[in-house]
Amino acid sequence: DAKTTQPPSMDCAEGRAANLPCNHSTISGNEYVYWYRQIHSQGPQYIIHGLKNNETNEMASLIITEDRKSSTLILPHATLRDTAVYYCIVRVAMEGNTPLVFGKGTRLSVIA
Amino acid sequence: NAGVTQTPKFQVLKTGQSMTLQCAQDMNHNSMYWYRQDPGMGLRLIYYSASEGTTDKGEVPNGYNVSRLNKREFSLRLESAAPSQTSVYFCASSEDWAAGNTIYFGEGSWLTVV
Repeated sequence: DAKTTQPPSMDCAEGRAANLPCNHSTISGNEYVYWYRQIHSQGPQYIIHGLKNNETNEMASLIITEDRKSSTLILPHATLRDTAVYYCIVRVAMEGNTPLVFGKGTRLSVIA
Repeated sequence: NAGVTQTPKFQVLKTGQSMTLQCAQDMNHNSMYWYRQDPGMGLRLIYYSASEGTTDKGEVPNGYNVSRLNKREFSLRLESAAPSQTSVYFCASSEDWAAGNTIYFGEGSWLTVV
């Protein structure tokens, strides 16, 4: 699975959009981009995933560049409850592959 | 709906003691996982079970054993606890370990070995 690079920390004002970048320059054609988050002391929570096209759900939007070498997770209106560590993970979508491997992620602090 | 349930939530052990962390899921998932998370670190995979009857080592399996008791339950055993095993342990499950399946995590078990 391709390696990902994320900034260690970011701040965002409450009510503004939080844009979390992820670099995955070695991604291959059959690898998905997944985003999870972990609110303090809780188990990680799935947010969104995608392959090539941009994706949106009730929690966030995922923007993947055309060359797929980077992506951005967007929380459109960040709240204090969005303060968490956000993990970007790249993984091949096939049976027999190993489970998700988590890095250190980005610590997002939403500030009132 | 319970999802993934872990017990105990907190445990203090003395060096050399043994214990088992229990995990059960009620989502009829095929795959289950055990991760550990040390302070300030990301999650590291200890063991996983792709399906009932199979188990495989993850990144950090040394000092642990697992049992996939049935489809619902996946236990993690520390045979002789060491201070280096002080950590938060998360159990997780997914429908299977193929494409795009969401992994659901339990709330964690805090283990301190003194």
